[in-house]
Amino acid sequence: EPEVTQTPSHQVTQMGQEVILRCVPISNHLYFYWYRQILGQKVEFLVSFYNNEISEKSEIFDDQFSVERPDGSNFTLKIRSTKLEDSAMYFCASRGQGFTEAFFGQGTRLTVV
Amino acid sequence: AQSVAQPEDQVNVAEGNPLTVKCTYSVSGNPYLFWYVQYPNRGLQFLLKYITGDNLVKGSYGFEAEFNKSQTSFHLKKPSALVSDSALYFCAVRDIRGATNKLIFGTGTLLAVQP
Repeated sequence: EPEVTQTPSHQVTQMGQEVILRCVPISNHLYFYWYRQILGQKVEFLVSFYNNEISEKSEIFDDQFSVERPDGSNFTLKIRSTKLEDSAMYFCASRGQGFTEAFFGQGTRLTVV
Repeated sequence: AQSVAQPEDQVNVAEGNPLTVKCTYSVSGNPYLFWYVQYPNRGLQFLLKYITGDNLVKGSYGFEAEFNKSQTSFHLKKPSALVSDSALYFCAVRDIRGATNKLIFGTGTLLAVQP
């Protein structure tokens, strides 16, 4: 069964450092998403990507965040200068057309120290 | 605004008993509703969805959900709980206002099934 894969599974970084979280969505999907889940809290939408550009972003997704789909297969989330409050589980998801459900990756646990 | 509410932080049930995890929704327009499950240190796994049609939707692992328009609810059910069903369950609604139909999640309900 096709799946969304994310690397790394866990990343520890120092405050102020840049991190890149990587995702390989399902190959024929068209819509790509990043969500995050702060420990013990609900899953929050960050950004969606379609047709090689950001389609929608939340208030959380400020100038410190960026996304790219550099080679038609990977989908990355970059945080330029991490803050303690960026510590969370980050989920990548992808979806096909129409009323299909989104498939989520296993997540990257980001710990900012 | 599109939103879902899960009124219970935790549901406890004995193995073999029926289980219900509650979800209510608030949407403008037609609701497109989903249930996802999260096992410890794992991603979100799709269980089932309601788009249109039959109010009783069947999904993975023996779960089903009942869409009730008059009560604006989409409760998740299973006739006989297993210990392995213990996990965090999220109800979600598709936000059709945006171009990419992102999901808006509830706060999650922790299901604990006791042997």
